[in-house]
Amino acid sequence: GENVEQHPSTLSVQEGDSAVIKCTYSDSASNYFPWYKQELGKRPQLIIDIRSNVGEKKDQRIAVTLNKTAKHFSLHITETQPEDSAVYFCAASPGSSNTGKLIFGQGTTLQVKP
Amino acid sequence: DVKVTQSSRYLVKRTGEKVFLECVQDMDHENMFWYRQDPGLGLRLIYFSYDVKMKEKGDIPEGYSVSREKKERFSLILESASTNQTSMYLCASSLSGLPNYGYTFGSGTRLTVV
Repeated sequence: GENVEQHPSTLSVQEGDSAVIKCTYSDSASNYFPWYKQELGKRPQLIIDIRSNVGEKKDQRIAVTLNKTAKHFSLHITETQPEDSAVYFCAASPGSSNTGKLIFGQGTTLQVKP
Repeated sequence: DVKVTQSSRYLVKRTGEKVFLECVQDMDHENMFWYRQDPGLGLRLIYFSYDVKMKEKGDIPEGYSVSREKKERFSLILESASTNQTSMYLCASSLSGLPNYGYTFGSGTRLTVV
């Protein structure tokens, strides 16, 4: 079955610096790759997603890139702010499934120091 | 504005008890999911359902069952609670169809089995 690996598990940056979180997936037929942000004590919320027919997507300070050949995708946060501190999860949707199932990575705890 | 509601925020149960976790969504979503969240392990899929009365096992179904009698409600059942089921349980829902869509999560139920 699909497996998603996420790195690093923790990331600490200074306010204003960039942060990059990387994920790899095993199922080459995977076609949908969302990213979720979970603030302390809150539910995960979708922040950006990318589909397999697109190589890059941006939304203000957040961008996601996808390399289908290498089977990896990354989240880029520029000009980080303290409110970006949270746990971030990547996920992939197995290509063999049309049930909306997502397989998640292990999570990255991002700390942005003022 | 809450769209996915989990009946309990915190639960404490005794070993061997039968435990019911309830999830209700008001978005008319076809797909519903149960995950457990543990530090360092990310979100692991327990069971999911893509239609009323339909269910499929996820990656860690042992010790759990589910029920979906109505489209809006998806219940997770711990047949005989054990201490290794102490965890945060997250329910999510999504629209059906391809390409896959992102989830809306509930606030989670933190279950402690003593």
